[in-house]
Amino acid sequence: AQSVAQPEDQVNVAEGNPLTVKCTYSVSGNPYLFWYVQYPNRGLQFLLKYITGDNLVKGSYGFEAEFNKSQTSFHLKKPSALVSDSALYFCAVRDRRNFNKFYFGSGTKLNVKP
Amino acid sequence: NAGVTQTPKFQVLKTGQSMTLQCAQDMNHNSMYWYRQDPGMGLRLIYYSASEGTTDKGEVPNGYNVSRLNKREFSLRLESAAPSQTSVYFCASNPPGTSGAYEQYFGPGTRLTVT
Repeated sequence: AQSVAQPEDQVNVAEGNPLTVKCTYSVSGNPYLFWYVQYPNRGLQFLLKYITGDNLVKGSYGFEAEFNKSQTSFHLKKPSALVSDSALYFCAVRDRRNFNKFYFGSGTKLNVKP
Repeated sequence: NAGVTQTPKFQVLKTGQSMTLQCAQDMNHNSMYWYRQDPGMGLRLIYYSASEGTTDKGEVPNGYNVSRLNKREFSLRLESAAPSQTSVYFCASNPPGTSGAYEQYFGPGTRLTVT
């Protein structure tokens, strides 16, 4: 079965420290990979995506993500966390063979402490 | 551009009541989607519409119906609400294109409680 896993329900980091939010997937056929962020009582906002090419992709607000094909992972990273980065982060995977099939992870709550 | 809009923002229903959630987008997108978000489960696709005049079931369609009224609007109907349908509902849309490389655009959500 196709699935996306975010193994950590919550990640706690101190402001200024690097952060990583993990995502692994089991979706066949070289899918497209996305990260979204959700602030309280808001819809999801797009952060970045991997389509092809360089394994390190850069996105909004200083976030980047590293694609690893052999490990089927797409971890979200940021070199220096801000308190305002505190939010819920979702990894999503889109099937290249059926564009209307999106698979979302269960979300990871990022807490950045001052 | 308003993007993707949803009404209402909040709703409380009694078991057995019906209601329609409205969604509209002003970005000329072809594809539109309805998701529900439950704690610890991420987003699950209820129905989608790849283009005007077509709709298809997603992962959790039971208890719901949809209508793609025109290119802009995609509504979700609960005919007989059940407590299991208590959730936050999100509408999303997707730019046209054949590569599938585009991200989705989400509305602000409707928080529904069924008592």
